[in-house]
Amino acid sequence: ILNVEQSPQSLHVQEGDSTNFTCSFPSSNFYALHWYRWETAKSPEALFVMTLNGDEKKKGRISATLNTKEGYSYLYIKGSQPEDSATYLCAFRDSWGKFQFGAGTQVVVTP
Amino acid sequence: ETGVTQSPTHLIKTRGQQVTLRCSSQSGHNTVSWYQQALGQGPQFIFQYYREEENGRGNFPPRFSGLQFPNYSSELNVNALELDDSALYLCASSPKGQGWIDTQYFGPGTRLTVL
Repeated sequence: ILNVEQSPQSLHVQEGDSTNFTCSFPSSNFYALHWYRWETAKSPEALFVMTLNGDEKKKGRISATLNTKEGYSYLYIKGSQPEDSATYLCAFRDSWGKFQFGAGTQVVVTP
Repeated sequence: ETGVTQSPTHLIKTRGQQVTLRCSSQSGHNTVSWYQQALGQGPQFIFQYYREEENGRGNFPPRFSGLQFPNYSSELNVNALELDDSALYLCASSPKGQGWIDTQYFGPGTRLTVL
């Protein structure tokens, strides 16, 4: 049984501060790791697709790293802004095509 | 370019009934995946359709079934509804060209309540 976990479940950040959170996933049968941002009342928005150990992706102030050998990915937000408030989901794809999401990390950025 | 759309937005059914949810994929996308998100959990993969054929399935019983049409829109059918089927149902489309690493584009979801 696949087990994708995200921590923390939620976090509060002051505007301007940087933060990061974790997605852990099975280290076997890895195929890809996806990150999504999900704002309230909107559709989940794709941030990154990561496939290689040591991969690093960046989109504006948001970046992510990947360690497939130990089964974790970090998402970083630099200089948090109120518009970064959202739930961040990671999704693990195994080599058989099965796709499992974590429960998400809810980020609240306060001015 | 139109995004992924889903209908209806909300739906209330009673136990034992059947429901059909619909999804229109983004223009140019030939793959549609369906997910169930129960309260407090991440989306759970139900199945994926590629060019009108089921192309992967999660741990859901056979009463969850689907269709994909020639225009790549899709339906999710759930028979014999149970209370635990109450959830947000998301569909996502992708342009299958890189296998499973394709970025998925999500619709806004259908909120199903089973009483």
